[in-house]
Amino acid sequence: DIQLTQSPSFLSASVGDRVTITCRASQGINRYLAWYQQKPGKIPKLLIYAASALQSGVPSRFSGSGSGTEFTLTISGLQPEDFATYYCQQANNYPRFTFGPGTKVDVK
Amino acid sequence: QVQLVESGGGVVQPGRSLRLSCAASGFTFSNNGMFWVRQAPGKGLEWVAVIWYHGSDSDYADSVKGRFTISRDNSKNMVYLQMNSLRDEDTAVYYCAKDSVATIFGVHYYYMDVWGNGTTVTVS
Repeated sequence: DIQLTQSPSFLSASVGDRVTITCRASQGINRYLAWYQQKPGKIPKLLIYAASALQSGVPSRFSGSGSGTEFTLTISGLQPEDFATYYCQQANNYPRFTFGPGTKVDVK
Repeated sequence: QVQLVESGGGVVQPGRSLRLSCAASGFTFSNNGMFWVRQAPGKGLEWVAVIWYHGSDSDYADSVKGRFTISRDNSKNMVYLQMNSLRDEDTAVYYCAKDSVATIFGVHYYYMDVWGNGTTVTVS
C-alpha cells in the first residue's frame, strides 16, 4: 500500500503569512494527489486535485505543486478562515484512496 | 444542490451490527461511484469502502474487509454500509462521499468532491 507522510504535523502562522505544507508518498504516484481542508467540527472540503488543479470556488491563494513522490500545498496570504487541518490524499491506487495524517495550521 | 445525508449511526456494543445509510440528491446518482470514509475521534481520515456506479463491484480497507459490506440502490439514490462484528476501533464519524473525475490531457484524475455531514458510530 502507498503511504503518505505530511510535514510539518503542526504549524503556527499569522494572518498574511505564506504557508507551505509538504506531502510525500512512499512510491511514485504521478500527479494523482488531492488536498482537503477540514475545520474543527466540519466536513472535509476539496481544495485541489491532480496535484495542482484548483477546485471550483476555492480561493486562488491556495495552490498545489509536485509530482512523483513529493507535493506541496501553498497558501499565499493566510486568511482567518484558513486555520484548519489539511490532508493530502493519493489516488494512484484508485479507488483505494489513502490519506496523509494531516497538518494542523493554528494561530501563532 | 448536490447533497449527501448520512443516517443510522448510534451506540452499539462490540460484536453487534449497524447499518448506515446515505441519501444522495442533486446529481445523477447512478453515474458515480460512492465512498465511505471514517474519522476516529481526534484522528485523521481513513478510506473505508467504495462501490462502483453500477453496484456490481466494491472494495474495502483491510481493517474492515470481511466485516463491512457496501451496497447501493440506484432506484432510491441510496448507498449503505452494513457493519458487522463491530470493534472498539470502529468508533468514528462515518462520511459518505461522491466520486468524481477530471480528465486533463487525456489522463483521468479521481477525487471526492462532495461529502455528507457524517454520522457517528460509537462501539462501547
